Amino acid sequence: EAEVAQSPRYKITEKSQAVAFWCDPISGHATLYWYRQILGQGPELLVQFQDESVVDDSQLPKDRFSAERLKGVDSTLKIQPAELGDSAMYLCASSLVRGQNTEAFFGQGTRLTVV
Amino acid sequence: GESVGLHLPTLSVQEGDNSIINCAYSNSASDYFIWYKQESGKGPQFIIDIRSNMDKRQGQRVTVLLNKTVKHLSLQIAATQPGDSAVYFCAENINYGQNFVFGPGTRLSVLP
Repeated sequence: EAEVAQSPRYKITEKSQAVAFWCDPISGHATLYWYRQILGQGPELLVQFQDESVVDDSQLPKDRFSAERLKGVDSTLKIQPAELGDSAMYLCASSLVRGQNTEAFFGQGTRLTVV
Repeated sequence: GESVGLHLPTLSVQEGDNSIINCAYSNSASDYFIWYKQESGKGPQFIIDIRSNMDKRQGQRVTVLLNKTVKHLSLQIAATQPGDSAVYFCAENINYGQNFVFGPGTRLSVLP
């Protein structure tokens, strides 16, 4: 069964350091999402891509967060510098086609701890 | 494993009973809804979806009901099993392909 792949599963980093997460969506899925989930809450969207283009990054803290999907396939989310409040689960999801109501499939996430 | 949702509302049910999890959504323009199940340390897993032109949809042991008048969504799980223990989120999708907005979640605890 096709899955959204994320790495690493866990990451511990010191504050002020840079950290990066990688996501490989399900093959053929044009839409890719990055969500952040704070413990005890639902996921919140950080950025949404349609192919290689950003379609929504209104909730992305652009002073420290960046995301790219250069070839419209896999994606990287970066934080520099990391802050203590960035500790959370970072989830990647993909869906088949934007413009139609289709489910988003999630990866297992990257649990980030900033110390 | 790590716990998801330490301070979430909790629903406790006996194994074999039916469970009903409720969700109030925020936007009357939302046209597509999904229920997700999230186990500790894992990403959300799709359970069932429903479009706004429907008021009921059934899957295997699960039923979703949609009441657009009061912006309410519910998930019914029949014959609840220990493996159903998890946090359940409803998600709403607005304007075809815009992002999914998640509700706060409910923890389902199945008692033996």
